[in-house]
Amino acid sequence: AQSVTQLGSHVSVSEGALVLLRCNYSSSVPPYLFWYVQYPNQGLQLLLKYTSAATLVKGINGFEAEFKKSETSFHLTKPSAHMSDAAEYFCAVSVAGTASKLTFGTGTRLQVTL
Amino acid sequence: EAGVTQFPSHSVIEKGQTVTLRCDPISGHDNLYWYRRVMGKEIKFLLHFVKESKQDESGMPNNRFLAERTGGTYSTLKVQPAELEDSGVYFCASSQEFTLGNTIYFGEGSWLTVV
Repeated sequence: AQSVTQLGSHVSVSEGALVLLRCNYSSSVPPYLFWYVQYPNQGLQLLLKYTSAATLVKGINGFEAEFKKSETSFHLTKPSAHMSDAAEYFCAVSVAGTASKLTFGTGTRLQVTL
Repeated sequence: EAGVTQFPSHSVIEKGQTVTLRCDPISGHDNLYWYRRVMGKEIKFLLHFVKESKQDESGMPNNRFLAERTGGTYSTLKVQPAELEDSGVYFCASSQEFTLGNTIYFGEGSWLTVV
């Protein structure tokens, strides 16, 4: 079965600093990988997804993630944090034969300080 | 275009009572999913409808949970009788297809507190 591990339940960065949220996956077959974000009092919103095309994926709001098969990782980055990026971020995996069912990590709450 | 809508947004009930959560998917989306996040844990899959048929209900925790999607439009998730461990956020999601990598759109969630 596939799984996702998100290192760090809470991450704090200064405004303007690099954002790095870590995600490692486990899957015996090629995975599709997703990052979702949940802003306060809102639903889950898709940030970006990897679907076996380009390994560097660009998403909304300046975020990007790189699929590294050798490291089984799909870390989320943003060069310069903004206060509005404060939210909870979820990494998820889906594999063939599961009808797009998503397996999520435990989430990382990002705090952005002045 | 309206997104996935869920009702109620918050519900507080006593142990042993019944709660029914409703989800309206994006119009035209045949695939409807229910997920749940218990406090501090990961978001977990509950079940998947294709139109009115249950495609996969492997994540349903026990028979106190009943999901329906009559007519293939909106769906309800009933918890009867509710237990303390059922507290959490229940997310509904929908997608147009269930091909791998297809985008799944989530609602804002229904927060359930059982006291």
